[in-house]
Amino acid sequence: DSGVTQTPKHLITATGQRVTLRCSPRSGDLSVYWYQQSLDQGLQFLIQYYNGEERAKGNILERFSAQQFPDLHSELNLSSLELGDSALYFCASSVALAGLQETQYFGPGTRLLVL
Amino acid sequence: DQQVKQNSPSLSVQEGRISILNCDYTNSMFDYFLWYKKYPAEGPTFLISISSIKDKNEDGRFTVFLNKSAKHLSLHIVPSQPGDSAVYFCAASAQIIQGAQKLVFGQGTRLTINP
Repeated sequence: DSGVTQTPKHLITATGQRVTLRCSPRSGDLSVYWYQQSLDQGLQFLIQYYNGEERAKGNILERFSAQQFPDLHSELNLSSLELGDSALYFCASSVALAGLQETQYFGPGTRLLVL
Repeated sequence: DQQVKQNSPSLSVQEGRISILNCDYTNSMFDYFLWYKKYPAEGPTFLISISSIKDKNEDGRFTVFLNKSAKHLSLHIVPSQPGDSAVYFCAASAQIIQGAQKLVFGQGTRLTINP
């Protein structure tokens, strides 16, 4: 158990819909990262938040957005869903002290199926 | 542009023998490398990491070797155990700005340990 929690575990929805994925980081971690793993793909970095602010952006679609709240939990919002958005979405967290090389610890993931 | 490559999609090893998983990278700005292990329906679990200032790091049965001139790293597992059967991901990071870190993952290698 990494200490990172994600809800829901599974999500089934239809094209065009909007969903919200939730992540709670490990206690004491200030940074949250979101990754997408599509079928037969490696994990693709989407976005990082640090202490409530966006810090780094990867291959995140404009239809997707994220935020980090004062209690440090984060939400990833996916809208106008398409079939190709079906994937595993992972959240990771780290302490993110400036200048340090850090390990990211991953949650169990949310499996999204768009029908 | 795949900056981190794991060229072997799968590897089969006899129990008790050495497992060697390989990873190549192209971006010389990467300064921290990690190996994660992933079971089906779970998030990646951190195994071991190495900084670019080192060429070897050992933790129990796991050793990671880094060859910066060849832009190559490898994970050695000795002795291999049935519980090691999983997908192994190599990941690399470079600090984009202070406190911002994104991991770039390889495609993974499925390791099977045969009794």
